[in-house]
Amino acid sequence: KAGVTQTPRYLIKTRGQQVTLSCSPISGHRSVSWYQQTPGQGLQFLFEYFSETQRNKGNFPGRFSGRQFSNSRSEMNVSTLELGDSALYLCASNAPGVSLGNEQFFGPGTRLTVL
Amino acid sequence: KNQVEQSPQSLIILEGKNCTLQCNYTVSPFSNLRWYKQDTGRGPVSLTIMTFSENTKSNGRYTATLDADTKQSSLHITASQLSDSASYICVVSARSRNNNNDMRFGAGTRLTVKP
Repeated sequence: KAGVTQTPRYLIKTRGQQVTLSCSPISGHRSVSWYQQTPGQGLQFLFEYFSETQRNKGNFPGRFSGRQFSNSRSEMNVSTLELGDSALYLCASNAPGVSLGNEQFFGPGTRLTVL
Repeated sequence: KNQVEQSPQSLIILEGKNCTLQCNYTVSPFSNLRWYKQDTGRGPVSLTIMTFSENTKSNGRYTATLDADTKQSSLHITASQLSDSASYICVVSARSRNNNNDMRFGAGTRLTVKP
């Protein structure tokens, strides 16, 4: 089956702009998680969506938001971009099965550069 | 202080040699521990996932161990190959009140395999 797809793969924006990233999970997976990865901070959890509802949220400012559609595709939005938002943004498709811990499948990521 | 500490930060070995990466955690209550391999510029790929009752799990040349009493895990790579050059990330999940997994990420170990 097809893997996790993220678009775009690369993006260059300037400070103050806003950006929308897209993620399509593996077919049948209803949960999607978003992460920010920077060299200094490593992987950091942004939020998780399940059946169009935000289920978990990390410690990021309100400029970072997301949503999930009825087909499980998810988008994340960052408004008023700052230089520090430059990072690899990863989307993970979460397999069902909370009791054993979700098996996660990551997409290739979107590399965002803020100038 | 990060709840998941990995060591060493980086490691260089010769092709064909074995190596062991360490992960110590303080996450509680423990749900599961995963090891991911991440090639440069790409999303992480799951190697193993271990729950409380498992103390060893193998995936090809990768063998993960878990000691839930001492809260330590290791990832052993046997007969290393050039393609093993990557970052290896330890992720520990805590069981949260709403039964969802609260994930904590290690900073990763950067492994370089040289010919």
